Amino acid sequence: NAGVTQTPKFRILKIGQSMTLQCTQDMNHNYMYWYRQDPGMGLKLIYYSVGAGITDKGEVPNGYNVSRSTTEDFPLRLELAAPSQTSVYFCASRWGAFESTEAFFGQGTRLTVV
Amino acid sequence: EDQVTQSPEALRLQEGESSSLNCSYTVSGLRGLFWYRQDPGKGPEFLFTLYSAGEEKEKERLKATLTKKESFLHITAPKPEDSATYLCAVQANFGDYKLSFGAGTTVTVRA
Repeated sequence: NAGVTQTPKFRILKIGQSMTLQCTQDMNHNYMYWYRQDPGMGLKLIYYSVGAGITDKGEVPNGYNVSRSTTEDFPLRLELAAPSQTSVYFCASRWGAFESTEAFFGQGTRLTVV
Repeated sequence: EDQVTQSPEALRLQEGESSSLNCSYTVSGLRGLFWYRQDPGKGPEFLFTLYSAGEEKEKERLKATLTKKESFLHITAPKPEDSATYLCAVQANFGDYKLSFGAGTTVTVRA
């Protein structure tokens, strides 16, 4: 089992450029999440999804978009990159439903906007 | 809004020197409290889930406990390999699928 796979691991973007961070999981999990982690700030939720075709905003959604066309994939789109989006991005998935199950995280994407 | 506060921000221990990390939380109703370990450059790795006050879970040198307002992660006789950032997260009650994280406690254990 690969678990949660994120690509790329590192990326440098120029201000105003766009990119998509890829996330795929092979555990047939319903719930998927995107977090960003800034030094000393913990993990902040950007968007989440409870199943294919269903997405919702988290704490810090501005400047990002997501889609969930399949159970496995949950890409995060940055349309007009800004220096404030420099961060480490983590994708996570969990089984969910009525039980409060643990989340599994990818290895992260370190993004720098210059 | 759910709030999770972890203390201290950083903890430096000598090998064998036991200590505790604190996670205080405010939620409308607790569905589950999670502890994760995060190594530099890696994603968080699951340690424990606690569901109700009075519950305790153990794994090697780590023991997590839960009250109605906070959770503690006790590290007994730590080793250098226990050095990591420890994150606490909560899920509020039914119908809320989000996990809210604290900022973490960075533990450094010196040999």
